[in-house]
Amino acid sequence: GESVGLHLPTLSVQEGDNSIINCAYSNSASDYFIWYKQESGKGPQFIIDIRSNMDKRQGQRVTVLLNKTVKHLSLQIAATQPGDSAVYFCAEKPNTGNQFYFGTGTSLTVIP
Amino acid sequence: KAGVTQTPRYLIKTRGQQVTLSCSPISGHRSVSWYQQTPGQGLQFLFEYFSETQRNKGNFPGRFSGRQFSNSRSEMNVSTLELGDSALYLCASSFYSSSYEQYFGPGTRLTVT
Repeated sequence: GESVGLHLPTLSVQEGDNSIINCAYSNSASDYFIWYKQESGKGPQFIIDIRSNMDKRQGQRVTVLLNKTVKHLSLQIAATQPGDSAVYFCAEKPNTGNQFYFGTGTSLTVIP
Repeated sequence: KAGVTQTPRYLIKTRGQQVTLSCSPISGHRSVSWYQQTPGQGLQFLFEYFSETQRNKGNFPGRFSGRQFSNSRSEMNVSTLELGDSALYLCASSFYSSSYEQYFGPGTRLTVT
């Protein structure tokens, strides 16, 4: 099976600082990646996605960086707010098959 | 538009029992996927149903089964429950089969004692 891992299980940041959450993936054939946010008691919520033909994609306060050479994905959150506190996890989709493979998640805590 | 709903939200069962979970997708969505989420394994894909047909299946034992009705609502059944089946079960709906754009429900928290 696929292996999608996160470098840090927990991350604490001060409100207003930038956050960086990392993800390593194992399948070099994966061509699509998604970052999800999961708040307590809720299902995962789509944040941003990126295809393998891109290195960077920006959204509102979030940026995803993809380094295919080292099979690494990161999510950057600018000016982190208390409402950003949640578990974040990445998902990858290999270019064969229809299944997504998910990481276990990093818990982000924003300190007011 | 209402989101994905799952019932019940919490469930406690005993080993050996069976359980049925329900998922109502977003109106108009015909695909429903089920996932098991545990702290150690993250989200693991169970199966996907589209237009009442199972389209994809993950690597779970036959004790896990599902079905989809003509109104796209889906049920998941787990028979002969084991302690390791304790998890958050999430369903996600999408318009197309195997769509990248999935919308998740809040999940059903199953505890097996």
